[in-house]
Amino acid sequence: DTAVSQTPKYLVTQMGNDKSIKCEQNLGHDTMYWYKQDSKKFLKIMFSYNNKELIINETVPNRFSPKSPDKAHLNLHINSLELGDSAVYFCASSQDPREQFFGPGTRLTVL
Amino acid sequence: KQEVTQIPAALSVPEGENLVLNCSFTDSAIYNLQWFRQDPGKGLTSLLLIQSSQREQTSGRLNASLDKSSGRSTLYIAASQPGDSATYLCAVTDGGSQGNLIFGKGTKLSVKP
Repeated sequence: DTAVSQTPKYLVTQMGNDKSIKCEQNLGHDTMYWYKQDSKKFLKIMFSYNNKELIINETVPNRFSPKSPDKAHLNLHINSLELGDSAVYFCASSQDPREQFFGPGTRLTVL
Repeated sequence: KQEVTQIPAALSVPEGENLVLNCSFTDSAIYNLQWFRQDPGKGLTSLLLIQSSQREQTSGRLNASLDKSSGRSTLYIAASQPGDSATYLCAVTDGGSQGNLIFGKGTKLSVKP
């Protein structure tokens, strides 16, 4: 049983397009996260979200927006994609600020 | 602002050796510390979680220690195997945030047969 899943695994698109990455967790956790891993493999928080609060890292452009249709899902929407958005995006979940479980990642390539 | 540093950036050892990976953080007000493993092209696998009130955690050949006051953690791997080759990431949960993890840049471990 996959705990945290993401789709798609790979996403190749042109500059200027709008795309979404989906994330689902079946752990019953109340907090979900999006992280970005850049070309130098450095992981950085983008968003954290539970039913009470969305916290956005101030360095994240407003072209990125998380959308949560329900507690088990946190999707990432990206508008007007740029070359610098190419990275691996990881979704994670936790119950309160405890152990976080990560999805397999989505490799986004912007051409 | 919390910063996490991992030393060394890369490490190569022969099979069977015991080894230590180091992690340091600048702000001791952490909620917990987590060690992860990342294989090339793969996601993150959680290895050990140490709560801020704990000193160490053990899982099989892995032992992680935490010295919160000095801002340090170590991951000890006993009797290393080629299958241990991966990048090991240390991350702290900032006490003031919604559980966001702040990561180090990782130590890339290679265990030679």
